[in-house]
Amino acid sequence: DAKTTQPTSMDCAEGRAANLPCNHSTISGNEYVYWYRQIHSQGPQYIIHGLKNNETNEMASLIITEDRKSSTLILPHATLRDTAVYYCIVRVSLMDTGRRALTFGSGTRLQVQP
Amino acid sequence: DVKVTQSSRYLVKRTGEKVFLECVQDMDHENMFWYRQDPGLGLRLIYFSYDVKMKEKGDIPEGYSVSREKKERFSLILESASTNQTSMYLCASSKGDWGTGELFFGEGSRLTVL
Repeated sequence: DAKTTQPTSMDCAEGRAANLPCNHSTISGNEYVYWYRQIHSQGPQYIIHGLKNNETNEMASLIITEDRKSSTLILPHATLRDTAVYYCIVRVSLMDTGRRALTFGSGTRLQVQP
Repeated sequence: DVKVTQSSRYLVKRTGEKVFLECVQDMDHENMFWYRQDPGLGLRLIYFSYDVKMKEKGDIPEGYSVSREKKERFSLILESASTNQTSMYLCASSKGDWGTGELFFGEGSRLTVL
C-alpha cells in the first residue's frame, strides 16, 4: 500500500498562498489522495480528495502530478486560522477483509505568520 | 450541522480499571472508526465498524474491544486499562461507499491512566 511523505513543518505569511507538498511514489491506479487538517485540540477535518484530476473546493485546491507520484495542497490566501497540522493520506486496504480505511501519518505542521 | 459526539473530553482512570469511551453520530452513517493519537505517531486506527454488530480490527487493536449495538453509537472498551493506553482517542464516521466517504471526527477524548 502506498505511503506518503510530507515535510514536518512549514511557515507561510498571512494572505499568501500556502503550498503543502506530499510524495506518494508507490500509489496505485485506484487509490485516492485525501487531505485533512487538524487544528489544535480538535478532531481532524476533511479538506479535499482526488484521484488524478486537479480538484478545487471552497477550502483549497489539490494538484496531482500526471504520474500521480506527488500532490500539492494549495490554500490560496492563508489566514491565521489555517494554522494546523495537515495530513496527506492515500487510501489503504486492510488485509484481513479487503475493506479500506484511512491511515494517517504525522502530517505537516503549517504555521501562518501575521 | 453534522455531528460526532464523544461522551467525555477528559478522563482519568487507574491501571486495571475497565474504561468505556462512547461515540454517537447523528448523520445515519454506516461506517464508524476509533483512532488514537500520540505525539510523533499521528493517528492510528484501532477498530472500525461498517454496520451494526460488525467490527474489524485496525492497525493496533490489542488491549481494546468495541461494541456497535445501534447504528448511531460506537463504543471503545479498554478491558483493563494500562498506562500505555494514555492517549487522545478520536471517533469518526463516514457514509456509504467504503473508504471514499469523507470522515467526520469528534472532538476527542483525552484519557490518562495512572
